[in-house]
Parts: sequence; C-alpha cells; structure tokens
Amino acid sequence: QKEVEQDPGPLSVPEGAIVSLNCTYSNSAFQYFMWYRQYSRKGPELLMYTYSSGNKEDGRFTAQVDKSSKYISLFIRDSQPSDSATYLCAMSTLNSGGYQKVTFGTGTKLQVIP
Amino acid sequence: GAVVSQHPSWVICKSGTSVKIECRSLDFQATTMFWYRQFPKQSLMLMATSNEGSKATYEQGVEKDKFLINHASLTLSTLTVTSAHPEDSSFYICSGIVRTGDTDTQYFGPGTRLTVL
Repeated sequence: QKEVEQDPGPLSVPEGAIVSLNCTYSNSAFQYFMWYRQYSRKGPELLMYTYSSGNKEDGRFTAQVDKSSKYISLFIRDSQPSDSATYLCAMSTLNSGGYQKVTFGTGTKLQVIP
Repeated sequence: GAVVSQHPSWVICKSGTSVKIECRSLDFQATTMFWYRQFPKQSLMLMATSNEGSKATYEQGVEKDKFLINHASLTLSTLTVTSAHPEDSSFYICSGIVRTGDTDTQYFGPGTRLTVL
C-alpha cells in the first residue's frame, strides 16, 4: 500500500463548478499537508500548506484536513479554465536531519472546460 | 514566493554520456536542496537530499555513483547523471527550503527534461 493515495483522474468539470480533490494516507506520522499545482512540463507550485485538522481558506481554494480519517481535500470554487493542471497532494514528516521529508501523491489531472 | 531556477530545461543526450543539471536559488540561500525524479503520470520521487558543504543523502534504491550531487554554495546544487541510459530519461526537479519559524516551505524549480537516446 502506498503511503499516499490519490486518484489520478482525469477530472473534467465545466467552468464555474466546485472541484473536490482528495487524498488518503496511511502514515500517521505525517505532520504537514500541502497541495501543489503542476502545469505540464513545469515544476510544482505550492498552493496550500497546513498542519492541523480543519479548514484553511485562501481565495477560491480551501484545504481540509481530517487527521482522524487520514484524509485531506482541496476544494476549488468557481473553477476557471486556467485552473486546468495536475494537482498533487503532499505530506511530510520531520526527519532526523531537522527538515521535512515530503511524500507526494500521484496527482489528479483537472480539466476545466469553458 | 522564493524562486528556484534549473538549467538546462531540456536536454537530449546519447547513451553513455554524462549530463549535468544545475539548480539555483535566486533570492534565498538554500543550505538544503532536494532532487526529485518524475516519470510520466507518476508522482515526484525523492532521489536525494543535497546539503551545502557536505555529502548528499540518497534515498534507498538511488545509486549515488550514478547520480552525483554537488552542493558547493548556498545557492547552487548540481546533479550529474553519469553514463546515462534510456531508462534515466525522466523529468528531474529540484527544490529549496525556506524556513519561517518552525515551518519549512519547499519551492520547486521548473524541472529539467532529460531524454537519453
């Protein structure tokens, strides 16, 4: 079993729809939870970062973490064609070197249709 | 956010040759940088942790003699793929850490696409 599971999609939605992206994980040692957006042939761009259960909102994006269920979500409101990209969930633990070791999901490819 | 650059962005080489990829932090100092590899439709896989002024730490299954990492300054880490073979063709991405209080944020470079013929 992978440490982080993410449905690869693709997910197609009409413009303006609410998008829900999800990941589950098995390692209860994960402390930090992130969502990255990756456009084709580009490096990942950090969207959201959280370390506690609950919701965190930033503009049209809401990140939700449920540590008891080992489940995280990213919601995108009023989705736009420019949101079309691959969304990677990521989780990290603090390792012996004093920095976070990040484990990524496989990414969900999202297409927002005008 | 912090900016990380990579050079080259795309390289094609013949089997058996060596390729060097540079990763630079442009507006911050990165004592630690990470090198990842991403195959098509797969997640980023951590290859190694690059520490300024010391040896890199490699993940299990990554050959340190094949993937040479040098972190000679606080703004530059290099990954050299030695004796490259077609199976090394992949998207290589580096990242640097910015620490704010107790929080580490990774900023990624744009990636280098390596094609080995």
